[in-house]
Amino acid sequence: RKEVEQDPGPFNVPEGATVAFNCTYSNSASQSFFWYRQDCRKEPKLLMSVYSSGNEDGRFTAQLNRASQYISLLIRDSKLSDSATYLCVVRMDSNYQLIWGAGTKLIIKP
Amino acid sequence: GAGVSQSPRYKVAKRGQDVALRCDPISGHVSLFWYQQALGQGPEFLTYFQNEAQLDKSGLPSDRFFAERPEGSVSTLKIQRTQQEDSAVYLCASSSPFSAHEQYFGPGTRLTVT
Repeated sequence: RKEVEQDPGPFNVPEGATVAFNCTYSNSASQSFFWYRQDCRKEPKLLMSVYSSGNEDGRFTAQLNRASQYISLLIRDSKLSDSATYLCVVRMDSNYQLIWGAGTKLIIKP
Repeated sequence: GAGVSQSPRYKVAKRGQDVALRCDPISGHVSLFWYQQALGQGPEFLTYFQNEAQLDKSGLPSDRFFAERPEGSVSTLKIQRTQQEDSAVYLCASSSPFSAHEQYFGPGTRLTVT
């Protein structure tokens, strides 16, 4: 079983819709959580950190459920430019290593 | 530019050849990471440097893989006697001590072994 699991998709979503991605992690000692975005044939870039209380950045909302070891990302009013692969990442604060999911591919259609 | 740079961007090697991949991290970033990313997968950790010290090489898949960062800035990942399974994108990332969780990635080197 992989340490970080995501639905690979693709999620095909019409422009303007709301879309949600989920991610589960296996190591309960994980302390830090992130969503990265990766465009086709480009490098990953940090989208947002995920805090225990949940956090929002514009159209993006991230939630963490430690009891269920589950992280989510919600994108509202999706834009064509949101088309990308979204990677769920976890880290144990005692360790610098980032553990990556395989990513969920999102395609926004006009 | 101020970002992480990598060279070459693309490399085609015949099986058995040695290759060397270069990474120039962001100036002042003490931490440097190498990852291997296969098609349709997330990045897999290879090795980690703090300045010139290689603190973790547990992700290197075999002794054919070797990385160095002799002066604590530029790093080179070397793969000896390349095999077809080495074909992947090799990503380099750096981070600052003030924001250790955010890794800044270079564009990667796409290695194809034929």
